[in-house]
Amino acid sequence: GAGVSQSPSNKVTEKGKDVELRCDPISGHTALYWYRQRLGQGLEFLIYFQGNSAPDKSGLPSDRFSAERTGESVSTLTIQRTQQEDSAVYLCASSLDWLEVDEAFFGQGTRLTVV
Amino acid sequence: AQKVTQAQTEISVVEKEDVTLDCVYETRDTTYYLFWYKQPPSGELVFLIRRNSFDEQNEISGRYSWNFQKSTSSFNFTITASQVVDSAVYFCALILTGGGNKLTFGTGTQLKVEL
Repeated sequence: GAGVSQSPSNKVTEKGKDVELRCDPISGHTALYWYRQRLGQGLEFLIYFQGNSAPDKSGLPSDRFSAERTGESVSTLTIQRTQQEDSAVYLCASSLDWLEVDEAFFGQGTRLTVV
Repeated sequence: AQKVTQAQTEISVVEKEDVTLDCVYETRDTTYYLFWYKQPPSGELVFLIRRNSFDEQNEISGRYSWNFQKSTSSFNFTITASQVVDSAVYFCALILTGGGNKLTFGTGTQLKVEL
C-alpha cells in the first residue's frame, strides 16, 4: 500500500485478555517504530526495529508488552493480560532507515480500549 | 534525559488570525533534531519540518514559519492567516543524533480555527 497500515483501527477488550495489534509498514522501509499515545498526552516510544538488528525495546512499559517483526515486513505488538491503563492509541511508523527520521510515516493508529 | 514542553494545551482562533505554537526543549546533548508534526482528526501524524541543532535559520513554508532559538531552547511554530483546515493537534518532538531513534514528543497543542 501507499502508506503505513494498522489493524484493527479500533479494539475493545476485557481486562485480562490478550490483544495483538498489527502494523504493515511501507514497502522497502527497514525501520519500524511503535509509539503509544494516551489521551491528552504526547507519544511515548515503545520499541524500534531496524532491519535484522536486535530491536530497541527500552520503551516497553512492562513484560506484558512484546513485539515482533520478521525481516522488513509486518510487525505485531502484543499486550498480554491487558489492564485499563493500557487504553491508548498505538501508533506505528516506518522509515527507509534509521537515518531518515524525518521521513518517518505514521499510520492512523489502533485505538485500544480496555474495559 | 531530554524533554519537550508544549505549555499551550489548547488554542482557539478565528480564521485569518495568526497563531504561534510554543515549544521548549531540554537536552544536554549538543547535536539533535527538532520536529513538528500535525495530527488531524484522522489520527495519523503528518511530518511538517525537521531542524538540526546547528541550523538556527528560521524557515518559512507558505503560511507556516518556524523560529528556532538555541539561546532559549525554543522552536516555535507560527501559522499565518490561519484556516479551518489547520485545526489539528500539533506536536513538537526532539531526537538525539546519537541516541537511537526515540522521538521525544511534547504533549501537543490542540489548535481550533473557527469561522
